Amino acid sequence: AQTVTQSQPEMSVQEAETVTLSCTYDTSESDYYLFWYKQPPSRQMILVIRQEAYKQQNATENRFSVNFQKAAKSFSLKISDSQLGDAAMYFCAYRSGETSGSRLTFGEGTQLTVNP
Amino acid sequence: AAGVIQSPRHLIKEKRETATLKCYPIPRHDTVYWYQQGPGQDPQFLISFYEKMQSDKGSIPDRFSAQQFSDYHSELNMSSLELGDSALYFCASSPVGGDEETQYFGPGTRLLVL
Repeated sequence: AQTVTQSQPEMSVQEAETVTLSCTYDTSESDYYLFWYKQPPSRQMILVIRQEAYKQQNATENRFSVNFQKAAKSFSLKISDSQLGDAAMYFCAYRSGETSGSRLTFGEGTQLTVNP
Repeated sequence: AAGVIQSPRHLIKEKRETATLKCYPIPRHDTVYWYQQGPGQDPQFLISFYEKMQSDKGSIPDRFSAQQFSDYHSELNMSSLELGDSALYFCASSPVGGDEETQYFGPGTRLLVL
């Protein structure tokens, strides 16, 4: 079974600064996808970014980018120019690419605080 | 853009009662997923349906059942409710082809069992 680990329960960053959230995963599969979801106090789950395992290029979405190290099974999220609205719980998630309808397996989450 | 719709948004039940949660996926999304998130926890996968057939099954109690209907909406039926069933229940959907690996979440149904 796949596992996802987020070793930072809490992180804080100053507004306009950069912060990196860590995620590692364990799998024996070669076809998979990785995601970062954001859960603000409203508890809505919001997709931040996704990465296909077969792509070597790191995904980027505006101020959000990832550092995908496939051999190390590491998938960190970098948030640049942090804003107050970035404060949320961030979940790293894994999805098998081998079958349709496959589940997401989440890490424990990292609570990000943005200080003004 | 249209989003996943879940109803009701809040639900209060007594122990041993039953509850039905409904999920309406984004148009042209054929796969539906259900997750349970307890307080301070990450979402836990319950079950998913692809083209109205169960495609993956997680730690869903036997007291729970679910199905996907011909219009692709899904219902999660929960019987003999227990205090521990109090949680936020998410439905997510993913589209046909293209971005099919990405799951888009609804706002959730907050269930409180007293």
